[in-house]
Amino acid sequence: QVHLVQSGAEVKKPGSSVKVSCKPSGGPFSSCSISWVRQAPGQGPEWMGSVIPVYGSTQYAHKLQGRLSITADERTGTSYMELSSLRSEDTAMYFCGRPSQCVDYWRGALDNWGQGSLVIVS
Amino acid sequence: VLTQSPVTLSFSPGERATLSCRASQSVSTTFLAWYQQKPGQSPRLLIHGGSIRATGIPDRFSGSVSGTDFTLTINGLEPEDFAVYYCLHYGISRYTFGQGTKLDIK
Repeated sequence: QVHLVQSGAEVKKPGSSVKVSCKPSGGPFSSCSISWVRQAPGQGPEWMGSVIPVYGSTQYAHKLQGRLSITADERTGTSYMELSSLRSEDTAMYFCGRPSQCVDYWRGALDNWGQGSLVIVS
Repeated sequence: VLTQSPVTLSFSPGERATLSCRASQSVSTTFLAWYQQKPGQSPRLLIHGGSIRATGIPDRFSGSVSGTDFTLTINGLEPEDFAVYYCLHYGISRYTFGQGTKLDIK
């Protein structure tokens, strides 16, 4: 099974940006989209957006459009999530996830997850 | 919107737990999943396609669908099953999570 390894914790000032990486290891990766999900303290997961590495196509949650950029390097399978104009309410654990199998590149149950990257905005 | 109820459930080990997730509109059960999450861990896929157990998931976990109601049943609760459970719909343009149900030890 593919493991996803994320970059480390970040502490950011309000108004700044953060960029988190997600790199696969341990085997060949699927052609499915990579999704980013965040989880504020004590809250449930919230989907942020997804990218199809082979095409660079993206989809974003409506509330984050304009502040969020998700990219991917097709060659290495690494994905990057950049969130700008940070606010205190962006403090959360950020996860990347990728299905082993999917339909139309986009739709698949996320069964490979990164370990999470804590972002604190303060 | 996926609505999970109740927010918290309390059971004793060995009992059967039934967790509910209701969709606000008709969704394809092909794209419905259940996850388990423990503190400090990433979510763990239990069920996908509404009722298909993910690789390595014990058969005490089962999923079922009836209309817009999705159910996760855990037969014979083990101590390690006490966690938070989320349903997820993976649509063509977004993923939608339920708010979660916490399974507590009674």
